[in-house]
Amino acid sequence: QKEVEQNSGPLSVPEGAIASLNCTYSDRGSQSFFWYRQYSGKSPELIMFIYSNGDKEDGRFTAQLNKASQYVSLLIRDSQPSDSATYLCAVNIYNTDKLIFGTGTRLQVFP
Amino acid sequence: GAVVSQHPSWVICKSGTSVKIECRSLDFQATTMFWYRQFPKQSLMLMATSNEGSKATYEQGVEKDKFLINHASLTLSTLTVTSAHPEDSSFYICSARDPPRGNTIYFGEGSWLTVV
Repeated sequence: QKEVEQNSGPLSVPEGAIASLNCTYSDRGSQSFFWYRQYSGKSPELIMFIYSNGDKEDGRFTAQLNKASQYVSLLIRDSQPSDSATYLCAVNIYNTDKLIFGTGTRLQVFP
Repeated sequence: GAVVSQHPSWVICKSGTSVKIECRSLDFQATTMFWYRQFPKQSLMLMATSNEGSKATYEQGVEKDKFLINHASLTLSTLTVTSAHPEDSSFYICSARDPPRGNTIYFGEGSWLTVV
């Protein structure tokens, strides 16, 4: 079983819609969860991180964490074509700065 | 601005040669840095943990004699791909955390390696 799993997509949504990206992880000891956005050929850039169960909002982005079910999600409201990218879910190995990445979900926002 | 910088951004080398990639923390000291590799349309795979002043810790399946990591100072880690082969062509990315800035892990810009 992969440690961090994501649907590879592509996920296609119209401009202005809500995009929902999901991620599951296998290690119950995982403490920190990150969402990165990666444009083709570029390095990942951090969107959000979340540590506690529940929702965390930052502008158009909301991260949701459910440790009991071992999933973390990212909602993007009012999706824009510029949001089209691959979204990587990453999990922090306990007490280290090592990140284990999912395979990423490719998001396409069409006008 | 960038807090972790890599050099070169891209490099082409001949098969059998070695190539060095540098990762620098620009305004902080990083006792630990991480090296990742990403093949096209795949995710980032952790290769190794670079430890300042000591040997790197390699992930399972990564050849330590092929991917030499040196972390000689608190601001510089280098990855040397030795006897490179076309299958080593990939995007190599380093990361580091600056504790005073919080828990954000910063990534370098990445280095594209093409072995011909």
